[in-house]
Amino acid sequence: DQQVKQNSPSLSVQEGRISILNCDYTNSMFDYFLWYKKYPAEGPTFLISISSIKDKNEDGRFTVFLNKSAKHLSLHIVPSQPGDSAVYFCAARGAHGGATNKLIFGTGTLLAVQP
Amino acid sequence: SQTIHQWPATLVQPVGSPLSLECTVEGTSNPNLYWYRQAAGRGLQLLFYSVGIGQISSEVPQNLSASRPQDRQFILSSKKLLLSDSGFYLCAWGQTSRWYFGPGTRLTVT
Repeated sequence: DQQVKQNSPSLSVQEGRISILNCDYTNSMFDYFLWYKKYPAEGPTFLISISSIKDKNEDGRFTVFLNKSAKHLSLHIVPSQPGDSAVYFCAARGAHGGATNKLIFGTGTLLAVQP
Repeated sequence: SQTIHQWPATLVQPVGSPLSLECTVEGTSNPNLYWYRQAAGRGLQLLFYSVGIGQISSEVPQNLSASRPQDRQFILSSKKLLLSDSGFYLCAWGQTSRWYFGPGTRLTVT
């Protein structure tokens, strides 16, 4: 079962506008949510995270919003730049009994920022 | 700072051949280590994780195995590769609020 879902496989926005990437999850036991950016043939790069006890976290152009009642989070990028074009993965950390916390990923959204 | 090394960067192997991918971590001790795979057009799937030397947990039944012979070394292996083993393999170490990923290994099974 897909515990973390990114229902939009792709998104295209104009440079300077806002990019909004969405993610839904099913497991209410997740305690941290993370966003990663990935270029082809490279490892994912961490962007921003949010604890489940918060509803917003901001870092420069990146803001993550968490709506626990809806089990939904979103990443806002403002303003969008051509260099932001990449695949964005949403991930959730779950504590599965004991010391091991595993990171569960969504399927990714390909963001294309048009100049 | 933490650094993750993976090798080789790319690998082309015939079906039925063995596999060994290596991951080493610098700048941390007793890390939780993970192997992920990204198949073509798919997300990142967790394959194995390890909380310490000799401790391996498998997430999905498959043709692969993992070992952790040293604190900062994590190895992914197979005795006989299948076509379906093709993909991009990523090693990661994780802590409370972020995970760090290596550069990945592109495996093509022919």
